Amino acid sequence: DIQMTQSPSSLSASVGDRVTITCRASQGISNYLAWYQQKPGKVPKVLIYATSTLQSGVPSRFSGSGSGTDFTLTISSLQPEDVATYYCQKYNSAPLTFGGGTKVEIK
Amino acid sequence: EVQLVQSGAEVKKPGESLKISCKVSGYSFTTYYIGWVRQMPGKGLEWMGIIYPDDSDTTYSPSFQGQVTISADKSISTAYLQWSSLKASDTAIYYCARRKGGSFFDSWGQGTLVTVSS
Repeated sequence: DIQMTQSPSSLSASVGDRVTITCRASQGISNYLAWYQQKPGKVPKVLIYATSTLQSGVPSRFSGSGSGTDFTLTISSLQPEDVATYYCQKYNSAPLTFGGGTKVEIK
Repeated sequence: EVQLVQSGAEVKKPGESLKISCKVSGYSFTTYYIGWVRQMPGKGLEWMGIIYPDDSDTTYSPSFQGQVTISADKSISTAYLQWSSLKASDTAIYYCARRKGGSFFDSWGQGTLVTVSS
């Protein structure tokens, strides 16, 4: 099965900073990659799908890129409300594995 | 409005059985997959398996195969996750989520907290 590895596992950045999270698949998954945001105590919600397509209602400071095995989630200007754990997920075929998560905090 | 409403929190003892539910509304139950996701305390998301309610075709993660059973009842637009013999390590929040064929999870239930303790 394909493994999904995220890095870093956690980060601390200042408001306004550019934040980058990476997700690596152990085999190619084309562009079948989604990013989810889970705020503390809340239900996960999808931010980005098909590697780079922003879900409706998601702020434009979020963006995604990549293809094949290497993917990136970028927050162009970190805001206090972005404190959350972010997960990537492959969805080309089962198992629909999640990455281990990246916890984003404000410095 | 699409809604996935899960059953309430459960407290069980090791060895007991359990079936939790996910009732959907606002869309055609038989045209989307329903998946289940585990989140152990303080840990990440783990994909458990998925069912296509129209024909009950089910796929499990290798990690959960044989440990749980996923089912669906089209007549009441409800999916289920069940255990025949719970363990303390089954303590977690369980989410159901909707997936269109070949796609991501676009809507999630509110989660069901299952606590297994003697």
